[in-house]
Amino acid sequence: DTAVSQTPKYLVTQMGNDKSIKCEQNLGHDTMYWYKQDSKKFLKIMFSYNNKELIINETVPNRFSPKSPDKAHLNLHINSLELGDSAVYFCASSQHTAGEETQYFGPGTRLLVL
Amino acid sequence: QKEVEQNSGPLSVPEGAIASLNCTYSDRVSQSFFWYRQYSGKSPELIMSIYSNGDKEDGRFTAQLNKASQYVSLLIRDSQPSDSATYLCAVIRKSSGDKLTFGTGTRLAVRP
Repeated sequence: DTAVSQTPKYLVTQMGNDKSIKCEQNLGHDTMYWYKQDSKKFLKIMFSYNNKELIINETVPNRFSPKSPDKAHLNLHINSLELGDSAVYFCASSQHTAGEETQYFGPGTRLLVL
Repeated sequence: QKEVEQNSGPLSVPEGAIASLNCTYSDRVSQSFFWYRQYSGKSPELIMSIYSNGDKEDGRFTAQLNKASQYVSLLIRDSQPSDSATYLCAVIRKSSGDKLTFGTGTRLAVRP
C-alpha cells in the first residue's frame, strides 16, 4: 500500500511530444505538490494544490499544466517537450499546506527527452 | 546569494564517527527547517524537523538551529555505511506562501 504513487516511473520521449505524469496519494492529505530535480540534484517546487485549488505556481513555462481532479490526485501535463525538461519529477503530499507539515514524496518519474 | 546553501561534499567519515552537515539560509523570516535524506535513485524522506532555536534529538540524529546566525545543522552520531546518502536541507519561508525551499544537498559517504 504505497502512500504516494506516480506513473510512469520512466518516460523516454522525443522533443516536441506531449506527455502526462500521474500522481495519487492514499494518505488523506489535503495538499499535493510537484517538484523537479535536475541533473545536479537540485530539487525545486513547481506547483502545489490544496483541496484541488492551485496555491503555489512557481515560474514554470506554461507548457506545464497541473490538474487536480480531486484532492487525492495531481497530474502534470507537459506540452511540446524540450531537452531541458529532462529531469526527475517528484510528486509529494502533506496533511495541510507546508508550514510545519511533513511532505511525503512519491518514487519519482524519470523523464528523458531526446 | 542562494536561499538555502549547503556544501555539496562529498563529506567522508569513518564508520562510528560523528557526521556534521551544515546549512545556511538567507531569509530571516524563515520559520520551519527540515532535513531530508535521499538515497541514490530514490525519493527524499524526512528525517528531522526543527522549528525553534536549540537542539532536537531523535535517535542518532540531532538537529541544531541558530536563527540569529541563520544556520541549521544535522549531526549523525555513530555513522553507519547505511547513512551514506545525500542530505537535503529545506526551509519554509512564510513570506513565500509556505513554499518548501531546498538546498542542493550534501553527499555523505561513511567508510566501513
